[in-house]
Amino acid sequence: GAVVSQHPSRVICKSGTSVKIECRSLDFQATTMFWYRQFPKQSLMLMATSNEGSKATYEQGVEKDKFLINHASLTLSTLTVTSAHPEDSSFYICSARGDSVNTEAFFGQGTRLTVV
Amino acid sequence: RKEVEQDPGPFNVPEGATVAFNCTYSNSASQSFFWYRQDCRKEPKLLMSVYSSGNEDGRFTAQLNRASQYISLLIRDSKLSDSATYLCVVNKNNFNKFYFGSGTKLNVKP
Repeated sequence: GAVVSQHPSRVICKSGTSVKIECRSLDFQATTMFWYRQFPKQSLMLMATSNEGSKATYEQGVEKDKFLINHASLTLSTLTVTSAHPEDSSFYICSARGDSVNTEAFFGQGTRLTVV
Repeated sequence: RKEVEQDPGPFNVPEGATVAFNCTYSNSASQSFFWYRQDCRKEPKLLMSVYSSGNEDGRFTAQLNRASQYISLLIRDSKLSDSATYLCVVNKNNFNKFYFGSGTKLNVKP
């Protein structure tokens, strides 16, 4: 299957700092990328959907000024957690899909963020 | 109401057993359906797509019932390696979003 690379896999940061997570599609053009968050023993929750070259669409309850998403090219999307707090500690995972209808999404390896 | 609902389990079954999971979705406009598998602390991986006519891949069979708005996954002859969380995923193409169920945990015991 297609490959999506997410970096970093783990990050520990101090409260109040910002963290950037990258998501790259390595062998296909990702028209759409999705960002999810997963707390322990909970489901993957969709945070936002981004299409290349346009602003991300955020799900209800997700602060767009806190979770900045950039999808500047067909192979790269970034999520920046600004002014991180301990409650932002979670598993963040991206997924990407191409242009065809009914195709599945391919997932990055995930980033475990710990804010101390 | 959640977009996608699943029984969280866990389902504890012996090796060789047959086990079935169901998943219901709330939006009749949903167009694509998938089952993903997620191992502990790993990313989800596609297990199979779910087609209207139903589809089978080895020991795994997926079914879609649009009238009742549910999809199912049947696993035959369970293996220890099948132990994982199985996620039901629904895609609303018009909105180009994937929604996940909370996952059903399966434990296959020797």
